[in-house]
Amino acid sequence: DAGVIQSPRHEVTEMGQEVTLRCKPISGHNSLFWYRQTMMRGLELLIYFNNNVPIDDSGMPEDRFSAKMPNASFSTLKIQPSEPRDSAVYFCASSYTGTGYGYTFGSGTRLTVV
Amino acid sequence: DQQVKQNSPSLSVQEGRISILNCDYTNSMFDYFLWYKKYPAEGPTFLISISSIKDKNEDGRFTVFLNKSAKHLSLHIVPSQPGDSAVYFCAASGGNTDKLIFGTGTRLQVFP
Repeated sequence: DAGVIQSPRHEVTEMGQEVTLRCKPISGHNSLFWYRQTMMRGLELLIYFNNNVPIDDSGMPEDRFSAKMPNASFSTLKIQPSEPRDSAVYFCASSYTGTGYGYTFGSGTRLTVV
Repeated sequence: DQQVKQNSPSLSVQEGRISILNCDYTNSMFDYFLWYKKYPAEGPTFLISISSIKDKNEDGRFTVFLNKSAKHLSLHIVPSQPGDSAVYFCAASGGNTDKLIFGTGTRLQVFP
């Protein structure tokens, strides 16, 4: 199993541009999570899906952020328009509900907005 | 508000000694707690967990202790090794949800 795959690994963009981060969860996992890591807030949950349905998006910072999961093997996190304060590492994680062993994380996307 | 708190941003320990990482939580609905370890440029990886029905769980050199009355858990690493140098995140879940709430992390450095 290749694990959770995120792309791109690094993204540098100019303020105001649209950014799309991608995630392929582990096959068979039915929950998917998007987190953002910053020094001040640690790992902050943005949104999570269960069986492709958004369950909790209370962590999405504002309307500039949106996430989709069109099928069980793909999810996107979009920021439009991007701002310098969005610079962070964004992680995707997946799990099989009820396993009790937590999540499997991807390697993350380091986003820099200049 | 930060429901899971790791008040020590960093910890430095000599190889062979014990490392103790601490975590506090505020939500009494939390009933499952986990520790994750993160190396630079990698995603966090699961290390050890504990259910609220237990007060201790041990896995090799790693032991997690839970004090429910104090809403406090700790991770003990004995003996510490240089390869343990990483950022450690405490996480909690509860209330019949998959959602994990993470702390801000503690950077552990184990020196020879």
